Amino acid sequence: AQKVTQAQTEISVVEKEDVTLDCVYETRDTTYYLFWYKQPPSGELVFLIRRNSFDEQNEISGRYSWNFQKSTSSFNFTITASQVVDSAVYFCALWGTGRRALTFGSGTRLQVQP
Amino acid sequence: DTAVSQTPKYLVTQMGNDKSIKCEQNLGHDTMYWYKQDSKKFLKIMFSYNNKELIINETVPNRFSPKSPDKAHLNLHINSLELGDSAVYFCASSLGSGVIPHEQYFGPGTRLTVT
Repeated sequence: AQKVTQAQTEISVVEKEDVTLDCVYETRDTTYYLFWYKQPPSGELVFLIRRNSFDEQNEISGRYSWNFQKSTSSFNFTITASQVVDSAVYFCALWGTGRRALTFGSGTRLQVQP
Repeated sequence: DTAVSQTPKYLVTQMGNDKSIKCEQNLGHDTMYWYKQDSKKFLKIMFSYNNKELIINETVPNRFSPKSPDKAHLNLHINSLELGDSAVYFCASSLGSGVIPHEQYFGPGTRLTVT
């Protein structure tokens, strides 16, 4: 069985603060992929990153960074110097090679106040 | 150019009716998906198709029937609509056959309200 847990339902920060969104996953697959998607208030889902289970290097893209730790089954997402435009629901998702489908977490709503 | 388009964007209908949602992608992708997002924002896969062949059919009532006339289109037909079908339905597409996952491109969603 696959499961993705995003324990933080909602986070509110003030602009320019750093914020970390947590993601913990469960899978029995040895090969799997992890994703983050953003859903802004307009409703569409936007791909942010894909990581496979063999690549534990952290990744940085501008103000965004991801920390993948296999030992704790976590794939956390940090936004540095948050901006109002970062306000959205963020979803972590898992793809196991056995199931061939994305299992989404319940999402974390991030509100960045000006 | 819209990569993944869905029509209609909003759909309000009464219980018991039959309705369809259309999806088209112009990205040349081989795999298409339907997802349901409920009122609590929970996203769940319903179906996936690869080159018109059904790959995944989650535990969805058989009132829901996907149809893929070609690999650029994946339509969703719903019979005998129920109140619990009210949700936002997203179509998505990606490269590949679904064994190794690629980035999925999502449509804008169709908000279905059943009264």
